[in-house]
Amino acid sequence: QKEVEQDPGPLSVPEGAIVSLNCTYSNSAFQYFMWYRQYSRKGPELLMYTYSSGNKEDGRFTAQVDKSSKYISLFIRDSQPSDSATYLCAMSNNNDMRFGAGTRLTVKP
Amino acid sequence: DSGVTQTPKHLITATGQRVTLRCSPRSGDLSVYWYQQSLDQGLQFLIQYYNGEERAKGNILERFSAQQFPDLHSELNLSSLELGDSALYFCASSVTGLNEKLFFGSGTQLSVL
Repeated sequence: QKEVEQDPGPLSVPEGAIVSLNCTYSNSAFQYFMWYRQYSRKGPELLMYTYSSGNKEDGRFTAQVDKSSKYISLFIRDSQPSDSATYLCAMSNNNDMRFGAGTRLTVKP
Repeated sequence: DSGVTQTPKHLITATGQRVTLRCSPRSGDLSVYWYQQSLDQGLQFLIQYYNGEERAKGNILERFSAQQFPDLHSELNLSSLELGDSALYFCASSVTGLNEKLFFGSGTQLSVL
């Protein structure tokens, strides 16, 4: 079993849809949870950063962490074609950081 | 723009050759990380430096080596290149090196022919 599991997709949705992206993990030592967005052949860009269980909202993006279930989610509201990218979850403690495989999202106009 | 600079953007070379990839971290960041990303695999952690010292090592081959210089820029050296080394190589930086927020460069695309 991988430490971080993320469905690679691809995921295709119409413009305006609500997108839900998810990751599960096995290492309960992880304390910090991140979502990165990566456009094709570009460097990953930090999108959301959370420390504790609960929700964090930033514009159209909401990150959700459930440490008891070892499950994190990223919700994108009113999705736009410009959201088309690969989304990578990441989690870390002070000594280790792990990335998910990434979910490729396409938002169709 | 993340503030992390990687050069060159593209590199084409032949098997058996040696190349050097360069990374300048964001201003104020003391830690540099190197990652490899190929089409069939996600981000693979190679190695981390903090203020000139190696801090953590991942799945880095013995043919690969890295260092961080006093001005905090870093170089990744890849030698005896094989076709399978073709990939995107990313550098990332962070302030404390404790695996908090990482800021990635735009990467170096290496093609080994």
